Amino acid sequence: NAGVTQTPKFQVLKTGQSMTLQCAQDMNHEYMSWYRQDPGMGLRLIHYSVGAGITDQGEVPNGYNVSRSTTEDFPLRLLSAAPSQTSVYFCASSLVGKDTQYFGPGTRLTVL
Amino acid sequence: AQSVTQPDIHITVSEGASLELRCNYSYGATPYLFWYVQSPGQGLQLLLKYFSGDTLVQGIKGFEAEFKRSQSSFNLRKPSVHWSDAAEYFCAVAPWSSNTGKLIFGQGTTLQVKP
Repeated sequence: NAGVTQTPKFQVLKTGQSMTLQCAQDMNHEYMSWYRQDPGMGLRLIHYSVGAGITDQGEVPNGYNVSRSTTEDFPLRLLSAAPSQTSVYFCASSLVGKDTQYFGPGTRLTVL
Repeated sequence: AQSVTQPDIHITVSEGASLELRCNYSYGATPYLFWYVQSPGQGLQLLLKYFSGDTLVQGIKGFEAEFKRSQSSFNLRKPSVHWSDAAEYFCAVAPWSSNTGKLIFGQGTTLQVKP
């Protein structure tokens, strides 16, 4: 199993550009989440999904969209990038909602 | 609101010394509790978790944590620190009433190990 994979590893955007961060897992997990990590703030939940076709907002959803058309994939879309979205983004998945989450390696995004 | 506090932002210990990282949570009922470790430039790896039962839980890499309901704490310990333990450590909770995969993280504690 590859576990949770994320692409790209690094990305630089200009303000106003859009892009999609990819996340995939091959463990047949129903639960998937996106977090952003900023210095001194730990990880904060952006969006999460409890299964294909079902998504909901987390703590910091503004400026981000998600969809879950398959169990395996959970892409995160930035519609119009802003410097405040400069961060490290982690995708995670779990088999049971309250159990261990498995994290991807992260995407480091810089918005100029 | 539910919250997790890690009071120590940065800790430095000598190699071979003991370690305790503090974690306090704010929640009405006993949540599911986790400790994750993040090495530089890497994702997060689970060290240990507590759901119920024995309040002293053992994890990987020689770590253990003790749940104390009266203090709303879940402190992480290791008897003898190795240089490879230098990393950032996160305490996290999943509220017991939530089966959504949502985790609430503390701010993290960076551990530096002196030779």
